[in-house]
Amino acid sequence: GENVEQHPSTLSVQEGDSAVIKCTYSDSASNYFPWYKQELGKRPQLIIDIRSNVGEKKDQRIAVTLNKTAKHFSLHITETQPEDSAVYFCAANQAGTALIFGKGTTLSVSS
Amino acid sequence: EAQVTQNPRYLITVTGKKLTVTCSQNMNHEYMSWYRQDPGLGLRQIYYSMNVEVTDKGDVPEGYKVSRKEKRNFPLILESPSPNQTSLYFCASSDRPNTGELFFGEGSRLTVL
Repeated sequence: GENVEQHPSTLSVQEGDSAVIKCTYSDSASNYFPWYKQELGKRPQLIIDIRSNVGEKKDQRIAVTLNKTAKHFSLHITETQPEDSAVYFCAANQAGTALIFGKGTTLSVSS
Repeated sequence: EAQVTQNPRYLITVTGKKLTVTCSQNMNHEYMSWYRQDPGLGLRQIYYSMNVEVTDKGDVPEGYKVSRKEKRNFPLILESPSPNQTSLYFCASSDRPNTGELFFGEGSRLTVL
């Protein structure tokens, strides 16, 4: 089955800096890679996703890149703000069971 | 408003006392799933359901049961809870489980003493 590894587990940046979170997956059949953000005490919510026919996708300050050959994908947050502080989960789809999640990255943005 | 509703949100119980966490969605989604979230372990899938009367095990199904008698409801049953089931539980639903957004409930924090 699919296995998703996520790094780093914690990330601390200064406000205005960029943050990058990386994930690798094992199943070459996976073709959908979403990112979820979970603020403290809240539910996870989708912030961006990418499909295997696309190499990069942007939405304002966040972007996701996908390298199918290397089986890894990354979340990039530019000009970080304190409200970006949260736990971020990457995921990859697996036939029959929907999404397999990484273990999460706790991002702290200090002002 | 489109939503996934879980109850109870918080529960403290004792070992062996059967409990049910309810989950209901109003988006007519065929797919529903339960996850548990533990520090350092991320979101792990317990059970999922592709449609009414169709359920299957996820990665960590031991000690749990589910049922899907109606499309909107997907209760999680702990027949004999144990302390290692102390966790934060999330129910989720989707109309495209492999290629679309998962909508999560607000979570149920369960403590088993």
